[in-house]
Amino acid sequence: SQTIHQWPATLVQPVGSPLSLECTVEGTSNPNLYWYRQAAGRGLQLLFYSVGIGQISSEVPQNLSASRPQDRQFILSSKKLLLSDSGFYLCAWHPPAGQETQYFGPGTRLLVL
Amino acid sequence: DQQVKQNSPSLSVQEGRISILNCDYTNSMFDYFLWYKKYPAEGPTFLISISSIKDKNEDGRFTVFLNKSAKHLSLHIVPSQPGDSAVYFCASGPGANNLFFGTGTRLTVIP
Repeated sequence: SQTIHQWPATLVQPVGSPLSLECTVEGTSNPNLYWYRQAAGRGLQLLFYSVGIGQISSEVPQNLSASRPQDRQFILSSKKLLLSDSGFYLCAWHPPAGQETQYFGPGTRLLVL
Repeated sequence: DQQVKQNSPSLSVQEGRISILNCDYTNSMFDYFLWYKKYPAEGPTFLISISSIKDKNEDGRFTVFLNKSAKHLSLHIVPSQPGDSAVYFCASGPGANNLFFGTGTRLTVIP
């Protein structure tokens, strides 16, 4: 069966510090991978998606970036965090074909102080 | 611009009664519609979906209704249970690989 992992679960970082959140998927090959953010009182905002290694599409301009160094690894990064980067970050995966749903990881809660 | 809207941020229902959660979308090209359930500090979990060729899909206590002419989607939970208390997200898009999410409705089922 497929599983998706995210770490860390919780992170408190000062403004201006770097960020690296990791997401890995097990039990599938060549998944589509997604990074979403849920800010307080808001829905899920798609940040990045990837259809393959090294292929990243950005949905919104921001100071975050994403990378996919391996087939089942998706990393969300920032060189300098802003207060507005606080939120709940969710990684999701989807099979490369078919009408199945997206499957979400447990999320990382980021608080920027 | 929000392509999927959930206009009710919260809903309280007595245990055993029906919960009705509503969702509106703007893009008539959307073909795939889903509901997710989310508990605090956890990722959303898939609940039920419907494609544009249907107007109703039922799974146990959960039924999703689709009105394409009105661009409206609803989730009915009957009977509601305290364990159903969570935030429910509506999502829609041209496919499950390209989804737009609503802002969520927090359902509280009162014992």
